[in-house]
Amino acid sequence: QSALTQPPSASGSPGQSVTISCTGTSSDVGGYRYVSWYQQHPGEAPKLLIFEVTERPSGVPDRFSGSKSGNTASLTVSGLQPEDEADYYCSSYAGSNHLVFGGGTKLTVL
Amino acid sequence: QVQLVESGGGSVKPGGSLRLSCAASGFRFRDSFMIWIRQAPGKGLEWISYITNSGSATYYADSVRGRISVSRDNAKDSLYLQINDLRADDTAVYYCARDLRGWAFAFESWGQGTLVTVSS
Repeated sequence: QSALTQPPSASGSPGQSVTISCTGTSSDVGGYRYVSWYQQHPGEAPKLLIFEVTERPSGVPDRFSGSKSGNTASLTVSGLQPEDEADYYCSSYAGSNHLVFGGGTKLTVL
Repeated sequence: QVQLVESGGGSVKPGGSLRLSCAASGFRFRDSFMIWIRQAPGKGLEWISYITNSGSATYYADSVRGRISVSRDNAKDSLYLQINDLRADDTAVYYCARDLRGWAFAFESWGQGTLVTVSS
């Protein structure tokens, strides 16, 4: 399985909204609702933000939202805050009990 | 409080082997599907292995199949990863993580990771 495609970087000013894309194929993102998003600050383990395309685990602010259209999933961060500066990764079920991750997007809060 | 603690990492020569462990606490480990994910220095996340709650089914990424083996001991609340024939590109932080539920492929709890360095 090939990695999902994410933009290497994204940025926005405090209070703005930013959307990060995650493009796969009909064999992964387009074929299943098992798309997740993770946030990772330097030196820390990843944190689950979104699962099953749109669902948020308890404790994750509703500023984080997910969506999907065709083979592309998206994470939107609304009302950007300084602490949102981090790396973001998408993942998708890819069939046959395999998982694939995106290459990651570094989000900078200007 | 859910806690996952990896151990067993270290520096090893190419061709060597390591057994990583992941000690779980604060949740019903025997009911949880688990995963090993690694991250090379400065790189992204890579899934390498997934195991069902009973351990009866295991799955491996193509990049490591044949060289690794995942197992668990539910009586000891522990997960293991055996890595053989280590190569330089196996150098990474190895994380264990807990699936939100079986087959959700969404990992809500992670350990702090254990670093494996493969170098001559």
